[in-house]
Parts: sequence; structure tokens; C-alpha cells
Amino acid sequence: EAGVAQSPRYKIIEKRQSVAFWCNPISGHATLYWYQQILGQGPKLLIQFQNNGVVDDSQLPKDRFSAERLKGVDSTLKIQPAKLEDSAVYLCASSVRGGETDTQYFGPGTRLTVL
Amino acid sequence: SQKIEQNSEALNIQEGKTATLTCNYTNYSPAYLQWYRQDPGRGPVFLLLIRENEKEKRKERLKVTFDTTLKQSLFHITASQPADSATYLCAAGRRALTFGSGTRLQVQP
Repeated sequence: EAGVAQSPRYKIIEKRQSVAFWCNPISGHATLYWYQQILGQGPKLLIQFQNNGVVDDSQLPKDRFSAERLKGVDSTLKIQPAKLEDSAVYLCASSVRGGETDTQYFGPGTRLTVL
Repeated sequence: SQKIEQNSEALNIQEGKTATLTCNYTNYSPAYLQWYRQDPGRGPVFLLLIRENEKEKRKERLKVTFDTTLKQSLFHITASQPADSATYLCAAGRRALTFGSGTRLQVQP
């Protein structure tokens, strides 16, 4: 079974530029998550989708971050404009249903550096 | 707000010994706790889930305990090996997971 795919793996941009990340979850997984992991910290949830609807985006900085999951499969996360503090690894994960006992499968992440 | 706290200091042990990692939670009572392993440059990988009514859960050399009185979970790796060196994350949540900051384990040969 193929895992969660993410691209790009690395991205370096200057502050105030925009950037987009792409995620392809495991086939058949209804729930998709985007997490931000700052160096030395655990992942922090940014947004959770159930199929193509948003379940939780309470920690998404909506003035600069946006995400979509068209057709309930692939997802993109965008930052516009980027700030220095956005430097982090952005992890995508998926799970079958999204319940609290559901195993989440993570992709390798995209490491973003904002200069 | 709900918090998951793990010892941020790295744990260094000798091969063959038992590693014990601690996870404490505050301001809520999770029904489940999950443990993940994360290697450098990779996403977390699920290891074990324990329910609040389970005192202990085992999987091969791994053991997790859940003490709702102490609001704590302990994660044990017995007969540790250098290949067990990684960061271990504790997580809990009703829908989305709240993760601790992780504890880095280094097993010396």
C-alpha cells in the first residue's frame, strides 16, 4: 500500500513570498490533516478535512494560511505572505475515518525555510 | 487549555537496558493516548494506542501504561537496541491529536 505523498520535500523562500504544499493521502482515507512542526516541538494541527469538508481549522492562521481538498482526495496548503516564524516542517497525515482511535499515517513532510 | 508534556531532555541508555519515557497530561482527561516514533527527516509513525480503562498494553518489546490518577502514561522499550534511537511522541485528543514535544532516545551500543 502506498503511503502519504508530499511535495516538495524542501522549499526555501524569502519572507513575504507565497508557497504551496501538496499532499496525496492513502487511497480510501476520508480524513486528511495538515500539521506544522517547529524544530524541537511536536506537530501542531493546522486543519482537518473529512472528505472535502473542513472539520477543524481553529489553529490555522487564516490571514495568511489557506487549504483546500478538492474532490476529497488531494490537498494543498498555501501560505501567503510567508513570515520568518513559518519556518517549520509541514506534515500531512491521513486516516480512515478520523475517530479518536484512528491511526494517523504521516507523510515525510515539507521542510520550509523562510529567509 | 489541554497540555501534553514530555521530558524534553534526551534519554541516553546502554543497549540491552529498558528505556522508560514519560508523558503527562493536564487540563483534560483523554479517553485514549497514542505513542508515535519519529526519525529525523520523517513523519511520525504510529506505535501503540491505550484506552483509559486499560492499565497496560504490550506489543513485542514495547509496553505502555496509562494511570488516570497520576494523569500519566509511561512508555517502555525493553532490551533496547541502537535501532530504537529516535524521538518518541505522546499524543491524545477527541478528534484531532494534541502532541507532546517528544523525547529523544539514544541507545548506545
